[in-house]
This record gives sequence, C-alpha cells and structure tokens, in this order.
Amino acid sequence: QSVLTQPPSVSGAPGQRVTISCTGSSSNIGAGYDVHWYQQLPGTAPKLLIYGDSNRPSGVPDRFSGSKSGTSASLVISGLHVDDEADYYCQSFDSSLDNSGVFGGGTKLTVL
Amino acid sequence: QVQLQESGPRLVKPSQTLSLTCNVSGDSISSGDSYWSWIRQHPGKGLEWVGYVYNSGHTYYNPSLKSRVDISIDTSKNQFSLRLTSVTAADTAVYYCARELDYALGYWGQGILVTVSS
Repeated sequence: QSVLTQPPSVSGAPGQRVTISCTGSSSNIGAGYDVHWYQQLPGTAPKLLIYGDSNRPSGVPDRFSGSKSGTSASLVISGLHVDDEADYYCQSFDSSLDNSGVFGGGTKLTVL
Repeated sequence: QVQLQESGPRLVKPSQTLSLTCNVSGDSISSGDSYWSWIRQHPGKGLEWVGYVYNSGHTYYNPSLKSRVDISIDTSKNQFSLRLTSVTAADTAVYYCARELDYALGYWGQGILVTVSS
C-alpha cells in the first residue's frame, strides 16, 4: 500500500492527452512538500521528468507538465508518442514517516 | 556529467547483511548540501525509498526498514554505502542509488539486482 495513490494504468492513442493523478495527504503533498515525477522505461532506471511540482529538467519535452493542488498532484502528457509507453511514479516526502521519501505505486501508460 | 554506479554482491544468504556501494563520478559527494539516496524495486513492483544521507552524515530511513538499515557516506572515496542486516527473500530487489537535484532524485545509477537465497 503506497503512501501516494496513483491509478494503476492509463491509456491513450498517439497524439492524445492523458493525465496521471497522485493523491496524498496532509502529511506529505498537503504539507507543502514538492512533488516530483519519474518515467521508467522497461528494463531501465527511473528518469526525472518533473521536479518541484511543475518544473522540467533540461531535455524533457514541454509535452510533459505537472501541477499540484491541495493534497494532490497531476502529470499531463500531451501529444502522446508511442515511446511514452512506460511506468510513471510520483514522489514526495512525508513528515509522519520521519521525513522519509515516499513514492506512488506507479502508473502504467499504454499508448494504443 | 554526474554518474552513479552501484556495486556489491548480487547474491546474499538469508539472515546475512546486504552491503552495496555507490561510486560517484563527475561530482564531489562533499560539495553543497545534497542528499544521496538508496531506492529499491522488488521484481515487477513499484519503487520503495530505503533512505538517504546528507554529506553532513545526517540520515533519514524508511521507518519500515529503519531497524535494519545503515547508510553512510565516505567523502574520501566519493562514495556512499548501504547496509541492510538480517535479510530475507523479501529483500530481493533491484537497488538503485541516486543523487538529489533540486530536492528530487535527479541522477540515478543503473541499478543492481540483489537476490537473497541460500
């Protein structure tokens, strides 16, 4: 049972837009901790996609965007590409868990 | 360019101690106020934060692992390490080391699969 809740799967056709939600609580996202998002392609290490709720590291296309409100955050992927098919994880910190980092359970994106 | 590389035994017997090292290149582990993390991923499952250490030596651990985990930093070797005691099959996982970037995990090692089995 992950501290942050994500849908197990989402899907979309190439060119479409999908949203992945990440729901936390008052001790993590709601406490003001930043939310970060990672993309994990099959057989590879996770890669930072969004940091600080809505910022993209250098090299990440602007098709990827993040936002946060209250105890939840969202990752939006616009103009889906076939190679966006991957697992996506949100991450934050939690004051009730000795400031440990916490992850969402992950969302499998399928590009139809 | 920052690069991280995990190393250590890939097979550990039950009840023994898992020890891994993360070698850092392209960056000084003692510079700034960054934190250095260990994350694991059970086969076919999601990511689990094991713990992290600041270059001051201050550590934070996943409460579910706290009694068995120790993360340390060696600035002279530019590396940090993970020790997990009394391992069981449930500790079989890919273990990743990572470096902070703007409070996120900005740089990751490729991961090392550690199997706990007799």
